[in-house]
Amino acid sequence: QVQLVQSGAEVKKPGASVKVSCKASGYTFTSYYMHWVRQAPGQGLEWMGIINPSGGSTSYAQKFQGRVTMTRDTSTSTVYMELSSLRSEDTAVYYCARHPDSNYVAWDNWFDPWGQGTLVTVSS
Amino acid sequence: SYELTQPPSVSVSPGQTARITCSGDALPKQYAYWYQQKPGQAPVLVIYKDSERPSGIPERFSGSSSGTTVTLTISGVQAEDEADYYCQSADSSGTWVVFGGGTKLTVL
Repeated sequence: QVQLVQSGAEVKKPGASVKVSCKASGYTFTSYYMHWVRQAPGQGLEWMGIINPSGGSTSYAQKFQGRVTMTRDTSTSTVYMELSSLRSEDTAVYYCARHPDSNYVAWDNWFDPWGQGTLVTVSS
Repeated sequence: SYELTQPPSVSVSPGQTARITCSGDALPKQYAYWYQQKPGQAPVLVIYKDSERPSGIPERFSGSSSGTTVTLTISGVQAEDEADYYCQSADSSGTWVVFGGGTKLTVL
């Protein structure tokens, strides 16, 4: 079955960077795009961007442009999300989520399944 | 920016029908998706492309669309359905991926 397993919780100081990993299994890694979505404590869901594991191309939400970098390692079926210049407002659970359709259409994004989430806490 | 509007909360008794709405100007042009999130857990897709149900999701979950409003209906609500529900879609051009603010379903 499709599984997405994320790295463990992180505590970072303001101004630092964090890199979260998401290891995929149970399917052909390069055939399905991967999204990143975050959720601040007690708040709703926020889409951050998407990566094509096949070629490595990315698309980021405007809010995160310049601060987020999504990469992948096809040898380990792992995608990464790095967020820089962290501030307290970046404290959140970060999720990877697979795009369920192998025929990706850029204007129709959705998410299934999701990783278990990684809590990133930004505090001095 | 584009927004999807959901009621903050809905309450129903076990066995009754719960309806959760989501409104947005682009919904006539874009598909809507629904996710269930229980405390401390990742979201789970329960409805895709307005009204399709993924395998493994109980038949009591259904989705519908009418104009600028989409609706998640849970028939014969069970205690285990108590959760937050989020709708998700995109603006008319598909540029912005947007989530609604979420609706907390309470089973009385």
